[in-house]
Amino acid sequence: QQQVKQSPQSLIVQKGGISIINCAYENTAFDYFPWYQQFPGKGPALLIAIRPDVSEKKEGRFTISFNKSAKQFSLHIMDSQPGDSATYFCAAMNSGYSTLTFGKGTMLLVSP
Amino acid sequence: EAGVVQSPRYKIIEKKQPVAFWCNPISGHNTLYWYLQNLGQGPELLIRYENEEAVDDSQLPKDRFSAERLKGVDSTLKIQPAELGDSAVYLCASSSGGNSPLHFGNGTRLTVT
Repeated sequence: QQQVKQSPQSLIVQKGGISIINCAYENTAFDYFPWYQQFPGKGPALLIAIRPDVSEKKEGRFTISFNKSAKQFSLHIMDSQPGDSATYFCAAMNSGYSTLTFGKGTMLLVSP
Repeated sequence: EAGVVQSPRYKIIEKKQPVAFWCNPISGHNTLYWYLQNLGQGPELLIRYENEEAVDDSQLPKDRFSAERLKGVDSTLKIQPAELGDSAVYLCASSSGGNSPLHFGNGTRLTVT
């Protein structure tokens, strides 16, 4: 059973456009929702994270929108740049278990 | 602050041979994880340590995989014998526990021929 479902699998956006990646979760015990960015040959790196007591969190060009009732959250990348081209993973954690469950990833390509 | 260090970066072995991966977490991080990442997939947990105790190893294939974290710092993950299907990237991560961020190393890419 896949606990965190991520879409789309791949995404092509023009430079300056908005990239949107969506995730849905099933386990209502999850209470921490990070997004990780991974470049080829590197490990995943934390990009931004949110807890369910807020509906939105913004850091620079990156925004997480969170809908607790729908059990969905999304990453928005504003003014997308070629340097944003990477694989993005949503994840979820039950703090009592301190273990992240990852989505399958979205490969983002920002065309110049 | 030094990050999570893993070695080797790459390893190529023949099937049925043993292999070991090493991880040095961020100083002071009591929680250490080993994740498996298949090509085009998200990381999947193999084992989680709190200090030197393995508190979640439910996804570790114990017939061929083993791990240890002596003294609650460095950790090694071993596969014996390796199978073709074990070809993947093995990621180590550490955190200070709770819902603190996980910090990942760059992984060891294993190829089994």
